[in-house]
Amino acid sequence: DAKTTQPPSMDCAEGRAANLPCNHSTISGNEYVYWYRQIHSQGPQYIIHGLKNNETNEMASLIITEDRKSSTLILPHATLRDTAVYYCIVRVGNSGGGADGLTFGKGTHLIIQP
Amino acid sequence: SQTIHQWPATLVQPVGSPLSLECTVEGTSNPNLYWYRQAAGRGLQLLFYSVGIGQISSEVPQNLSASRPQDRQFILSSKKLLLSDSGFYLCAWSMVIDEQFFGPGTRLTVL
Repeated sequence: DAKTTQPPSMDCAEGRAANLPCNHSTISGNEYVYWYRQIHSQGPQYIIHGLKNNETNEMASLIITEDRKSSTLILPHATLRDTAVYYCIVRVGNSGGGADGLTFGKGTHLIIQP
Repeated sequence: SQTIHQWPATLVQPVGSPLSLECTVEGTSNPNLYWYRQAAGRGLQLLFYSVGIGQISSEVPQNLSASRPQDRQFILSSKKLLLSDSGFYLCAWSMVIDEQFFGPGTRLTVL
């Protein structure tokens, strides 16, 4: 899996959009960008993933740059419950075969301030 | 709907004692199953994964072993625990769609 770089921590005011950056400059053409988050003392939770087009679901939006070397996860209206460590992971999608596990880095600790 | 269970939730064991952590998945068939560990102050590390009954792949050499005696049951074991085995152990499952679903975890303290 390609390596990702994320800021160790970020603050965001409640109700504002939280924008979490991720650099993945060595990403390969068949690798997807995945985002998970881990609330304290819980298991990670899948948020969203994408290949090259921007994606949106009920939790977040994922913006991937045209050269695919970086991406941004956007939580449009952050709440206190969004405080968690957010992991950006780059890996071959399942169509690439295999059941390999995820490689988690240190992620970004997002703290939502009231 | 699918659910994943892990037990126990917390465990305190002396050094040198055996370990058995269990993970079961409901509501799906032939899932891929995973064991991860998160040591204090460190990221999640993949320990084992399994694509079917009796099929185990180990990611890192260690004091632990895994078994899959049934389709939806994944067990993590050790014959003799070390202090360094302390951590938060997470089981996860996935299907073809590739998203992994994690269980609630077991917090193991080895004294």
